[in-house]
Amino acid sequence: AQSVTQLGSHVSVSEGALVLLRCNYSSSVPPYLFWYVQYPNQGLQLLLKYTTGATLVKGINGFEAEFKKSETSFHLTKPSAHMSDAAEYFCAVSEGNRDDKIIFGKGTRLHILP
Amino acid sequence: KAGVTQTPRYLIKTRGQQVTLSCSPISGHRSVSWYQQTPGQGLQFLFEYFSETQRNKGNFPGRFSGRQFSNSRSEMNVSTLELGDSALYLCASSLDRAGNNEQFFGPGTRLTVL
Repeated sequence: AQSVTQLGSHVSVSEGALVLLRCNYSSSVPPYLFWYVQYPNQGLQLLLKYTTGATLVKGINGFEAEFKKSETSFHLTKPSAHMSDAAEYFCAVSEGNRDDKIIFGKGTRLHILP
Repeated sequence: KAGVTQTPRYLIKTRGQQVTLSCSPISGHRSVSWYQQTPGQGLQFLFEYFSETQRNKGNFPGRFSGRQFSNSRSEMNVSTLELGDSALYLCASSLDRAGNNEQFFGPGTRLTVL
């Protein structure tokens, strides 16, 4: 069965600094990987997803993530943090073409310092 | 296109009672998934329905059940409520299987069990 580990339940970065949110996964087959964002009092919104092909995936709001099979990682980055990026971020994995469920990590709350 | 709607948005119940939550997916979406979100546990998968059939189920007791209607609307029922059932319940819809498609989330139903 697949699983997801997000390192750090809270991450703080200064406005303008690099954002790095870590995600490691476990899957017995090639995974599908997702990053979702949740703003306060709202549902989740897809930032980006990896299924097959190019391992560097670009998403909305300037975020990107790189699938590294050898490291079983799918870390989320953004070159320059903005105050509006403050939210909770969830990494998720599924076993893609196998008719399987999507498993979410416990989330990382991103704080942006002025 | 209207988004995913969930009713009610807030609910207060007492231990032992039962509750029914409703979710209306985006028009044309056939898959509806339910998640329980609590601080520290992140999103935990409850179940996924597709074309009125339960496709996948998470590790929750039988007190948690659901169903999907022919118009893809879904309901989730929790019987014999416990204090630990207090959580944000999120519904998500997708065009096809949740495992390899973008999910669109509703704002959630906040359930408080006293």
